[in-house]
Amino acid sequence: KAGVTQTPRYLIKTRGQQVTLSCSPISGHRSVSWYQQTPGQGLQFLFEYFSETQRNKGNFPGRFSGRQFSNSRSEMNVSTLELGDSALYLCASSLVAGEWETQYFGPGTRLLVL
Amino acid sequence: KQEVTQIPAALSVPEGENLVLNCSFTDSAIYNLQWFRQDPGKGLTSLLLIQSSQREQTSGRLNASLDKSSGRSTLYIAASQPGDSATYLCAAPLSDQGGKLIFGQGTELSVKP
Repeated sequence: KAGVTQTPRYLIKTRGQQVTLSCSPISGHRSVSWYQQTPGQGLQFLFEYFSETQRNKGNFPGRFSGRQFSNSRSEMNVSTLELGDSALYLCASSLVAGEWETQYFGPGTRLLVL
Repeated sequence: KQEVTQIPAALSVPEGENLVLNCSFTDSAIYNLQWFRQDPGKGLTSLLLIQSSQREQTSGRLNASLDKSSGRSTLYIAASQPGDSATYLCAAPLSDQGGKLIFGQGTELSVKP
């Protein structure tokens, strides 16, 4: 069974631009979560989607948004990019949304904002 | 509010040594605790998940334990190898918040040949 895939793997943008990242979960998984990883803050939760509905949202500004499609694929969008948005963005999938579920992570998208 | 702490931040050991990585959490009403491995610049690989009803889980040379009363989990690696060099992260879900994981800062392990 294929793992979680994320595209693109690397991205370079300039301040003020916007970016869209994509995540395809493991086949059959319906929950997708997004995390931001930076050297200073570590891994921080962005949001979680289940059956096309946002279930949870982390403490990030409104410039960060996401959505989930009927096939469980998810996208996250960051508008008006800032230098501090440079990070590794990871998505994780699980069968359903629940505290007891094992989450499986993708390889990440590394975003560099210049 | 759940907080997860990992000490030490970095650890260097010679090949063949058995070692223990530590993870502490503040909210003992924990559903489970998951250990991950991260290689430089890569995503996370799930190693072990211990449910709150379990005391330990084993996979090959890895053994993870969970003690809710003391707020601690340990990851034991037997007969360490240079290929075990990576950052190890533990994470716990925030109570009643579905898949929202709270991560420790990680322990960077280096196994010297």
